[in-house]
Amino acid sequence: KAGVTQTPRYLIKTRGQQVTLSCSPISGHRSVSWYQQTPGQGLQFLFEYFSETQRNKGNFPGRFSGRQFSNSRSEMNVSTLELGDSALYLCASSLTSQETQYFGPGTRLLVL
Amino acid sequence: QKEVEQNSGPLSVPEGAIASLNCTYSDRGSQSFFWYRQYSGKSPELIMFIYSNGDKEDGRFTAQLNKASQYVSLLIRDSQPSDSATYLCAVNMVGTGTASKLTFGTGTRLQVTL
Repeated sequence: KAGVTQTPRYLIKTRGQQVTLSCSPISGHRSVSWYQQTPGQGLQFLFEYFSETQRNKGNFPGRFSGRQFSNSRSEMNVSTLELGDSALYLCASSLTSQETQYFGPGTRLLVL
Repeated sequence: QKEVEQNSGPLSVPEGAIASLNCTYSDRGSQSFFWYRQYSGKSPELIMFIYSNGDKEDGRFTAQLNKASQYVSLLIRDSQPSDSATYLCAVNMVGTGTASKLTFGTGTRLQVTL
């Protein structure tokens, strides 16, 4: 069974731009969670989607948003990029919200 | 107080020794606990999960959970140089309804020396 995939793997943007990241979960998994990882803050929860509905949200500004499609694929969007948004963005999928989460390879975003 | 706390390390152990990694959490309502391993530049990979008090063994790895003390640990027996990585403790704090939120510690860096 194929694992979680994320595209693109690397991205360079400038301040003020916006970016969209994509995540395809493991086949059959309906829950997708997004995390931001930085050296200073570690892994921080952004939001979780299940059956196209946002079920839980972390403490991030409204510039961070996401959605999930009927095939469980998910996208997250960051608008008006700031230098501090430079991070590894990780997507994780699970069968349901309560099950074990499996991570994708991540998208490394650099904001200049 | 952080929700999930780990000693950042580095924890240095000789090859063949037992490595003991510890984690404490603040939410008494937490129901499931996970250990992930992350190599530098890579994404976290699941090692083990544990839901009930006591020990759970899988090969060289043993997870231990004590909900009364809000403590979870990971033992790695016969440590190998390939075990050198950052180990992340994660706690699933169930929110409203069935939604959940996985909260991570900052990780413990393990170095296995030859």
